[in-house]
Amino acid sequence: DIQMTQSPSSLSASVGDRVTITCRASQGVFNSLAWYQQKPGKAPKLLVYDGSRLESGVPSRFSGSGSGTDYSLTISSLQPEDFATYYCQQYYRSRTFGQGTKVEIK
Amino acid sequence: EAQLVESGGGLVPPGGSLRVSCTASGFQFSSYAMNWVRQAPGKGLEWVSYISRRSSAKLYAESVKGRFTITRDDAENSVVLQMDSLRAEDTAVYYCARARGEYVLDFWGQGTLVTVSA
Repeated sequence: DIQMTQSPSSLSASVGDRVTITCRASQGVFNSLAWYQQKPGKAPKLLVYDGSRLESGVPSRFSGSGSGTDYSLTISSLQPEDFATYYCQQYYRSRTFGQGTKVEIK
Repeated sequence: EAQLVESGGGLVPPGGSLRVSCTASGFQFSSYAMNWVRQAPGKGLEWVSYISRRSSAKLYAESVKGRFTITRDDAENSVVLQMDSLRAEDTAVYYCARARGEYVLDFWGQGTLVTVSA
């Protein structure tokens, strides 16, 4: 199985900050990677797929990048509605989620 | 408007069985692969199972292989997860999720809670 490791597990940031979350796969996933946002008590929401493609309707302050085993999600200017938990997921071989990164208000 | 509604969750004793269902509306169900993803209380997301269009392929996480079975009924716009030999560690909210292009989970239901406890 491909293991996905996110870092950090949590972070505190202020509105307007630039935030980057990283995801490392145990083997190459060839851009078969998505990012999801989940707010408490709600279902996850797709943000980015194929490593860097922004899902329709998702604000442009979100962006994804990476290749091989290392990927990142960047929020260019954190907004109040962005405080949530973020998950990466590979779909190159079966499907595996990272353990999540909780973004909290500083 | 697309909608996925899960049902069938509840309390079941260890070793028991439960069948959770997901009914779709607002989109062409037969054109999409479907998945089940679960989330234990206070924990992260865990992918559980996948079924392709026309049920030609099925995948399971190692943690549920041999105990869970995924099926779909395109006439009823539904996908079902039959869960047998349940364990305490299967306690979770179970989400069904639509897969665009077979892989990307682009739309999710609101989940149904399964609790395995004596």
